[in-house]
Amino acid sequence: EAGVAQSPRYKIIEKRQSVAFWCNPISGHATLYWYQQILGQGPKLLIQFQNNGVVDDSQLPKDRFSAERLKGVDSTLKIQPAKLEDSAVYLCASSRDKAQGLYNSPLHFGNGTRLTVT
Amino acid sequence: SQELEQSPQSLIVQEGKNLTINCTSSKTLYGLYWYKQKYGEGLIFLMMLQKGGEEKSHEKITAKLDEKKQQSSLHITASQPSHAGIYLCSGGTSYGKLTFGQGTILTVHP
Repeated sequence: EAGVAQSPRYKIIEKRQSVAFWCNPISGHATLYWYQQILGQGPKLLIQFQNNGVVDDSQLPKDRFSAERLKGVDSTLKIQPAKLEDSAVYLCASSRDKAQGLYNSPLHFGNGTRLTVT
Repeated sequence: SQELEQSPQSLIVQEGKNLTINCTSSKTLYGLYWYKQKYGEGLIFLMMLQKGGEEKSHEKITAKLDEKKQQSSLHITASQPSHAGIYLCSGGTSYGKLTFGQGTILTVHP
């Protein structure tokens, strides 16, 4: 099966600019995740979708970050305006699990988008 | 909130040596995953553990989950340079919260 697709692979922007990332999960995967991974740290969950509904966005900085998953398939994550501390790798992952609290399937990750804010 | 602590933070071994990475949770885990990450790339799934006392092996890598489901270990036998990378554990609670450890950087010298 095709893996999780993410684009772009790299992005360099100046602070206060906006940026958008795109993710296409594995076909048939109900759950989609966006993670932020700062260098030297483990991934931090930003938002979790179940089909096209949000089930967890408690760690999403909603004043500048937004995400949507239209039609329950692909998703976009946007940052506006960007800050220096947003420099990180943004990882998208998907899973077959259809509800929170089910741990029957692993997450499948894309290669991520490396964002540098100058 | 649930936290996962990994140890050691980094590990340098000579090729052929055995090694163990630990992952400890402050709460009971209902799913525990191990991933490997190459620098600048996504995470690759290694193994999943769900039951207390469960142990799984794939090639030279063995993962275990203790009976209390709060601690897991990843053991590599006869390490090779191809094993080098960042190893991350990820665990889920009954509330559906899935978090990651901070990762263990493994370097294997030929």
